Amino acid sequence: GAVVSQHPSWVICKSGTSVKIECRSLDFQATTMFWYRQFPKQSLMLMATSNEGSKATYEQGVEKDKFLINHASLTLSTLTVTSAHPEDSSFYICSARVMVGFSYEQYFGPGTRLTVT
Amino acid sequence: DAKTTQPPSMDCAEGRAANLPCNHSTISGNEYVYWYRQIHSQGPQYIIHGLKNNETNEMASLIITEDRKSSTLILPHATLRDTAVYYCIVRVYNQGGKLIFGQGTELSVKP
Repeated sequence: GAVVSQHPSWVICKSGTSVKIECRSLDFQATTMFWYRQFPKQSLMLMATSNEGSKATYEQGVEKDKFLINHASLTLSTLTVTSAHPEDSSFYICSARVMVGFSYEQYFGPGTRLTVT
Repeated sequence: DAKTTQPPSMDCAEGRAANLPCNHSTISGNEYVYWYRQIHSQGPQYIIHGLKNNETNEMASLIITEDRKSSTLILPHATLRDTAVYYCIVRVYNQGGKLIFGQGTELSVKP
């Protein structure tokens, strides 16, 4: 399957600072990328959908000013957690989608573990 | 909300087939069923997807009932490395094709 990478794989930051997470599709072009968040022992929760060159669409309850998403190219999307607080500590996972034939294939990155102290 | 229902956990003996059921009784005619799995602290791994026909690849087989209200993922010869949480997801056509994860089934493969 196709490969999606994330950087960094883990990060520790102080409360009040901002953190940027990169997501790249390595061997395919993805017109649509998704960002998920996962708390311990819970399922993945979709945060937002981003299409290359346009503004992201956020799920209900996700603060768009806090979680800034930029999808600058067909292979790169970034998530910036602004003014991070301890409750933002979580596992952030990106996903990239490509159309194959008449259906979509969607691949996930390895995740980024964010710890806010 | 997720459109699927799965048992929270299952056990399987190593070397035997693992059959993971999924109910999706409200699925629409143009919505695909996707299966992913997540090994602890990793991103989900794509397994297989289908619309109405049974599908098979190098990892698994997907059996979809004729009325499309349920499906079964089959791992033909489970190994210890197949221990993971398995998610059955219906891609919601009228919401931009998002994948909304439910709680999944925690499969434990035992020696």
